[in-house]
Amino acid sequence: EDQVTQSPEALRLQEGESSSLNCSYTVSGLRGLFWYRQDPGKGPEFLFTLYSAGEEKEKERLKATLTKKESFLHITAPKPEDSATYLCAVQALGGYSSASKIIFGSGTRLSIRP
Amino acid sequence: NAGVTQTPKFQVLKTGQSMTLQCAQDMNHNSMYWYRQDPGMGLRLIYYSASEGTTDKGEVPNGYNVSRLNKREFSLRLESAAPSQTSVYFCASSPQGVGSGNTIYFGEGSWLTVV
Repeated sequence: EDQVTQSPEALRLQEGESSSLNCSYTVSGLRGLFWYRQDPGKGPEFLFTLYSAGEEKEKERLKATLTKKESFLHITAPKPEDSATYLCAVQALGGYSSASKIIFGSGTRLSIRP
Repeated sequence: NAGVTQTPKFQVLKTGQSMTLQCAQDMNHNSMYWYRQDPGMGLRLIYYSASEGTTDKGEVPNGYNVSRLNKREFSLRLESAAPSQTSVYFCASSPQGVGSGNTIYFGEGSWLTVV
């Protein structure tokens, strides 16, 4: 069964303390892996798409990496404004329509203390 | 640029009442989606429309109906609301059905409580 698991569920860091969020997946075949940021009371905001193992993408203090079984979202020297829930989603192969094969993880709640 | 717009933002319904959530996108996207988000469950696909004139069931379609009114608009209807439908609902769109190079863009959400 296709599955996406994010860890940890919650993470509290001090401002400037770098860390990583994990997204592990088991799918029949990977078409793409997405990272989103979600602020309280808002919709998910797109951050990155990764397509193949070894790929990396960066945006400000965030860097996403991908292996054959998991993705990491690395946060370097975070600031309080980086506090949010980070969602991972995987698009799997198969199904009669690609749109139905996107599986979301339940997210990691990141809190950055000043 | 508004992106994906949903209405209403908040709604309280009594069990058995019906209502429609409205969604419109101004990005000229072909595909549109309705998701629900519950604590600890992640986002789950209710229905989607790969292109104008087509709709398909997602993971959790029971108790819902949809209408793709035109390319811009995709509505979600609860015919007889149940407490289990208390959730946050997100409308989303993507340029094509999701594939390489296509990303889903989300609206701000609609908070629905069924009492």
